Amino acid sequence: TQLLEQSPQFLSIQEGENLTVYCNSSSVFSSLQWYRQEPGEGPVLLVTVVTGGEVKKLKRLTFQFGDARKDSSLHITAAQTGDTGLYLCAGANYGGSQGNLIFGKGTKLSVKP
Amino acid sequence: DADVTQTPRNRITKTGKRIMLECSQTKGHDRMYWYRQDPGLGLRLIYYSFDVKDINKGEISDGYSVSRQAQAKFSLSLESAIPNQTALYFCATSDWGPNYGYTFGSGTRLTVV
Repeated sequence: TQLLEQSPQFLSIQEGENLTVYCNSSSVFSSLQWYRQEPGEGPVLLVTVVTGGEVKKLKRLTFQFGDARKDSSLHITAAQTGDTGLYLCAGANYGGSQGNLIFGKGTKLSVKP
Repeated sequence: DADVTQTPRNRITKTGKRIMLECSQTKGHDRMYWYRQDPGLGLRLIYYSFDVKDINKGEISDGYSVSRQAQAKFSLSLESAIPNQTALYFCATSDWGPNYGYTFGSGTRLTVV
């Protein structure tokens, strides 16, 4: 069974600080996706990384896919209160799972003013 | 209109009752999914459908059934609701291939008393 472990589970920081959250697995994935979920809403896709070593930037958010395609990280620079939410990583394979995503349990981020 | 619409948004029902959660999408995607989300357990796949004639069980299908009435509609039923089915339920849709992200609905908060 493929598993994705996210760390930390909870993170509480002050506005303006930097942070990194991690998504790790012992399995190789075709791609890794990151979602953000706000209370009372469904997850919203932020980014998909496909190539080992790939780095993608989305304003203050930087996403990296590990060289071996087993792990990923999300770095937020100068966090804002609007970044508060649950961050989920999800791994995908074209193989036996027929394209279903495997979700991590998430990192709950709270950014205080 | 939202790309993925779930109804109802909130529902309280009694143990033993049958309840149906509905989902419709305007993305034109063939693939649709039902997940439940519980604190500490993350998103867990209940059922998924890759087209109107293709229905598959996910990791936690016991106690649930689904119907794919059309490409755009995928409903989830709890035949005889029990309290441990109290959770947040999400419908999602995606294009072919795991490198495409999922579009989630806003969720249904179900409470079984």
